Amino acid sequence: GAVVSQHPSWVICKSGTSVKIECRSLDFQATTMFWYRQFPKQSLMLMATSNEGSKATYEQGVEKDKFLINHASLTLSTLTVTSAHPEDSSFYICSARSQLPFYGYTFGSGTRLTVV
Amino acid sequence: DAKTTQPPSMDCAEGRAANLPCNHSTISGNEYVYWYRQIHSQGPQYIIHGLKNNETNEMASLIITEDRKSSTLILPHATLRDTAVYYCIVYSNTGKLIFGQGTTLQVKP
Repeated sequence: GAVVSQHPSWVICKSGTSVKIECRSLDFQATTMFWYRQFPKQSLMLMATSNEGSKATYEQGVEKDKFLINHASLTLSTLTVTSAHPEDSSFYICSARSQLPFYGYTFGSGTRLTVV
Repeated sequence: DAKTTQPPSMDCAEGRAANLPCNHSTISGNEYVYWYRQIHSQGPQYIIHGLKNNETNEMASLIITEDRKSSTLILPHATLRDTAVYYCIVYSNTGKLIFGQGTTLQVKP
């Protein structure tokens, strides 16, 4: 139980275009999901908290107009990187809080974004 | 959220126990200690968590000191597939899981 599916696993896009990443909780409902970004050889950095039916809460320094988050249902949150630039190239990971089989956070497999 | 301190890297021989320490001296009474690991280019994988009692599951054991200021994750028989970055995280009711730098464990044949 407690599986989080993230899609796509990798994407290459051109500068100036937008990219959408999906995060789904497959066998549980998640009122709260989290989005992280990870640069090479660095730890995960929390970007924002996605709340079902309400606006996302962004961490300090994260541009909310650039990283659009939508959490329209209890099983789906999306992150859209708008007007992507090469510096947005990174590994994006989502997670959701579950109660079974353990009370904690389950992570997706991540999305490798490369902006060219 | 309480900060954690972990050694940046450790080596372990295959088949031996891997003991990964973590200091969390500012932990509060209601904060849990969670351990995750991340294998290269994958999402973090949950290992174990605890509040004040020692815990064991099919993956690992978690030993928390009586004052709760430190803990140790034990992988009883490390294999090459256990090579990963291990994160010790103190979780509070803010709802956020904040990652530190973790320990890179290299299991060697």
